[in-house]
Amino acid sequence: DQQVKQNSPSLSVQEGRISILNCDYTNSMFDYFLWYKKYPAEGPTFLISISSIKDKNEDGRFTVFLNKSAKHLSLHIVPSQPGDSAVYFCAAETGNQFYFGTGTSLTVIP
Amino acid sequence: EPEVTQTPSHQVTQMGQEVILRCVPISNHLYFYWYRQILGQKVEFLVSFYNNEISEKSEIFDDQFSVERPDGSNFTLKIRSTKLEDSAMYFCASKEDTGGYEQYFGPGTRLTVT
Repeated sequence: DQQVKQNSPSLSVQEGRISILNCDYTNSMFDYFLWYKKYPAEGPTFLISISSIKDKNEDGRFTVFLNKSAKHLSLHIVPSQPGDSAVYFCAAETGNQFYFGTGTSLTVIP
Repeated sequence: EPEVTQTPSHQVTQMGQEVILRCVPISNHLYFYWYRQILGQKVEFLVSFYNNEISEKSEIFDDQFSVERPDGSNFTLKIRSTKLEDSAMYFCASKEDTGGYEQYFGPGTRLTVT
């Protein structure tokens, strides 16, 4: 039951460039989408979210784009920094139940 | 800054034994969650808890699992008879209210069933 998918298990980006992490979903009932960042041996940390009624939300270097017709969201990190290296999970919420993707491991090369 | 704490950080148990994983959510939060992550796999929702009762649960959360908020601060996950496939990281999370969707996660408990 893969309602939320992250098809790229890993991504490498040069410091200062843009990182684009992608996420696809299948359930049109999702109300809210979130991105979490996870370092090894730690729990996920909330990064940014977007309501299903919006198509863009920006917070500093992080921007999330939502394309409802394509059931696709993306996280843009500009400029990427070495400290951004972590696993990024997208998640979707409906009825107080949250579904996570499998994660994308981002490496930002100094 | 307030944070979610979990104990123990690592629990080793034998198959068939009962385990209780403990969490202390952020004090003014009202929604509580348990997730698990099997090594190399995605984070999976187990259960959400609000107003002293389960509000949602996944297919994974079968009769072997139970949750409890025994007092005003702790939130526990009990696995009655552990199986090898229960080996995973278990994360607790809490959320303030229905107006926000941001969950705060604890550092996790690594459960190893031998």
